[in-house]
Amino acid sequence: SQQGEEDPQALSIQEGENATMNCSYKTSINNLQWYRQNSGRGLVHLILIRSNEREKHSGRLRVTLDTSKKSSSLLITASRAADTASYFCATDGGSGYSTLTFGKGTMLLVSP
Amino acid sequence: SAVISQKPSRDICQRGTSLTIQCQVDSQVTMMFWYRQQPGQSLTLIATANQGSEATYESGFVIDKFPISRPNLTFSTLTVSNMSPEDSSIYLCSVTMGLALGETQYFGPGTRLLVL
Repeated sequence: SQQGEEDPQALSIQEGENATMNCSYKTSINNLQWYRQNSGRGLVHLILIRSNEREKHSGRLRVTLDTSKKSSSLLITASRAADTASYFCATDGGSGYSTLTFGKGTMLLVSP
Repeated sequence: SAVISQKPSRDICQRGTSLTIQCQVDSQVTMMFWYRQQPGQSLTLIATANQGSEATYESGFVIDKFPISRPNLTFSTLTVSNMSPEDSSIYLCSVTMGLALGETQYFGPGTRLLVL
């Protein structure tokens, strides 16, 4: 099965800086989703980008997808302390089934 | 989107016992899933809970260990049977609203389980 891999594994920045996280995967996909998880709690859905899209924006979030390189990036602009969390990418299997495969995640720490 | 609740939110259990986790959705959903997140790890899909039929389990997970029920379109349970310390994890349910490709998947708040 495919697997998303995020890098870096951990990222520490100051408030106001931008944070970029990358995700790579191995097989074809229908879509890629990014999630945030605060302190081991439930996942919050951030953004979904379809395989035929290259870039998507939502507030301070910008996601890109390069299917030729099988990679995606999540950019958080003007970060805030409240953005401190773990961020995961998740890909579907490329079939009609909705199951997701999650990457290992990037732990982001934003210091005031 | 969907509002998902899970009970219990956390529990501490003795090895050899079983725990049933409930997942309730505020609207009818097509697909419900159960994931496990071991400490410091990512999420791993346990099974897809199918309404009116047996759950579909992923490789490495079996019905005897993780029996699942889905009696209707808004509710599912996951039982962790004959627990051992290795079962200490966060268990999360998730849903999709439809069957179309590229459906957003929404997650519950999780159940944090510690097995002693």
